[in-house]
Amino acid sequence: KAGVTQTPRYLIKTRGQQVTLSCSPISGHRSVSWYQQTPGQGLQFLFEYFSETQRNKGNFPGRFSGRQFSNSRSEMNVSTLELGDSALYLCASSTGAALSGANVLTFGAGSRLTVL
Amino acid sequence: DAKTTQPNSMESNEEEPVHLPCNHSTISGTDYIHWYRQLPSQGPEYVIHGLTSNVNNRMASLAIAEDRKSSTLILHRATLRDAAVYYCILRDHNNAGNMLTFGGGTRLMVKP
Repeated sequence: KAGVTQTPRYLIKTRGQQVTLSCSPISGHRSVSWYQQTPGQGLQFLFEYFSETQRNKGNFPGRFSGRQFSNSRSEMNVSTLELGDSALYLCASSTGAALSGANVLTFGAGSRLTVL
Repeated sequence: DAKTTQPNSMESNEEEPVHLPCNHSTISGTDYIHWYRQLPSQGPEYVIHGLTSNVNNRMASLAIAEDRKSSTLILHRATLRDAAVYYCILRDHNNAGNMLTFGGGTRLMVKP
């Protein structure tokens, strides 16, 4: 079956611009979570959506936002880009309500954002 | 998520077994032990998870200490494709959603 698909894979923006990244989860998966990966900070949780509702949010400024559609596809948006936003943005999907430590995540390959 | 401690890097020869350790001395009774790995230029990939008993799947084995304060991921025959960063993660049964907390992980290098 198809995996988690993220688009675009690579993009370059300049400071002050905004960007929208897309994530299509595995069919049947209702939860989508987003992560930022940088060499300095490693992998950090951004937020999670389940059934079109944001359930959890990490410690990121309000410039980072997201949404989920009725077909479980999700988008994240970063406004007023800063140089420090350059990173690999990963999304992951999973089944069910995810209120179990046994729940397994499937990650996409990521969208690499470069801010100049 | 509770804190885990892993060596920064390890080296192995191809075709030999690899034992990747993880210490989690503050683990609680409801924490599951998960392992993910990240190959170069890819997103993390699930490897295995367990609660109390040792676990086996097609990718690896997970050996959990009796007191659960440590665990070991075992790759039975390392291949060059196993070169990756391996993350040991604890996930509570009541974990609110799919927030994973990744530590630094262990970078596994496999020599031909």
